[in-house]
Formats: sequence, structure tokens, C-alpha cells
Amino acid sequence: NAGVTQTPKFQVLKTGQSMTLQCAQDMNHEYMSWYRQDPGMGLRLIHYSVGAGITDQGEVPNGYNVSRSTTEDFPLRLLSAAPSQTSVYFCASSYSRSRSGSYNEQFFGPGTRLTVL
Amino acid sequence: GQQLNQSPQSMFIQEGEDVSMNCTSSSIFNTWLWYKQDPGEGPVLLIALYKAGELTSNGRLTAQFGITRKDSFLNISASIPSDVGIYFCAGSDSNYQLIWGAGTKLIIKP
Repeated sequence: NAGVTQTPKFQVLKTGQSMTLQCAQDMNHEYMSWYRQDPGMGLRLIHYSVGAGITDQGEVPNGYNVSRSTTEDFPLRLLSAAPSQTSVYFCASSYSRSRSGSYNEQFFGPGTRLTVL
Repeated sequence: GQQLNQSPQSMFIQEGEDVSMNCTSSSIFNTWLWYKQDPGEGPVLLIALYKAGELTSNGRLTAQFGITRKDSFLNISASIPSDVGIYFCAGSDSNYQLIWGAGTKLIIKP
């Protein structure tokens, strides 16, 4: 299993540009999520999905869109990049969000380091 | 909203020293998870705790789920250079949402 994969690893954008961060998992996980990590802020949830066709907002959703057309893929779209979106973005997945125990353990991708000029 | 306080923010330690960090919550959690993030990588799960009072070890790492279900600690014994990184705690609430601590950065003194 490749686990959770993310592309690209690094990206530089100009203010106003749009782009899509890709995330895929091959573990048949129901739950997928996107976080951003800023220095001293820990991990903040942007959007999440509990299954194909179902998405919901997290703590910091503004400026981002997601879709979940398949179980495997969960892309994150930046509609009009702003310097405040400079961050490291992590995709994570787990078996389920509706059950306790090990189903809730999240596996992370390697991250995408985004700079918006 | 729920808050999870993780302390300390950072630690400077000598190789061979024991390390202790903890997380406290304003509300009850059903699960506590401890992750480690190496520089340039995503967080990796170290230890998962599912019951109040549970004490679990993973090599030199030991973590406990507090009796009140509002806190957890992680201890690392006899630290080595590869222990450097950021350690995160995360708690799962009754809605199974994961709440994250801000992280503890571990630095080995030269």
C-alpha cells in the first residue's frame, strides 16, 4: 500500500492564481480530511469528508473548496490564492469517523508546501 | 469550542534525558492519540489510548489516558537524537471529531 499520497510536494503561486492540491489513499478509508499547519498553530482542519459525495467544513474553510467523487481521491482547490494561504497542507484519512477506537486513527500524507507571493 | 492545551511548547534536552509532555482538555475525550512529526514529513501515529486510566508503551515511549478523561501525558525515556521533532496530542470527542494540540517541539542540545 502507498498509504496517503499528496502532489505536488512544493508549489509557488502568485496572488489570485488558482490551483488544486491532490490527495489519494489506497486503504479504502471512509474518512478523509485536509489540514493546514502554520508555525505555532498546530493542525487546523479545513474540510473533511465522511464518504464519497459527502463533504463538510472544518475550522478554517474560507478560500478552499473540496469534492469527493471517489473513495480514493479528495482534492483541495484554492480558488484565488492569497498570501495568508501560505502554509503546509496535509491530507489525512481514517477508516471511519462514526466509530470509536482504531477506526478514528488518522494516517497523514507527506504534505504540500505552498507559498503565495 | 473545545480547546486542547499541550505543554510545554518546546523542550531543550540533553541526549539520555527523560522527557515528559502533556495535554489537557476542557471537555471529556473518548480517545487520545499521540503523533510525532519529523521535519518535512507528515505526522505519524505513535500511541493510541482508548480507556480512562490506560497506560500504553511503545519502546521508550509511554503514554497514559487520564482518569478524568480530560488529560493525557507522553513520556520518552533516555532520549536519543532521532527523537527530535514535533509531538502532537489529539483527542476524539463524543462526535468522533479529532481536536489537536499545538505541539511540543523537542530539541536536543548539542
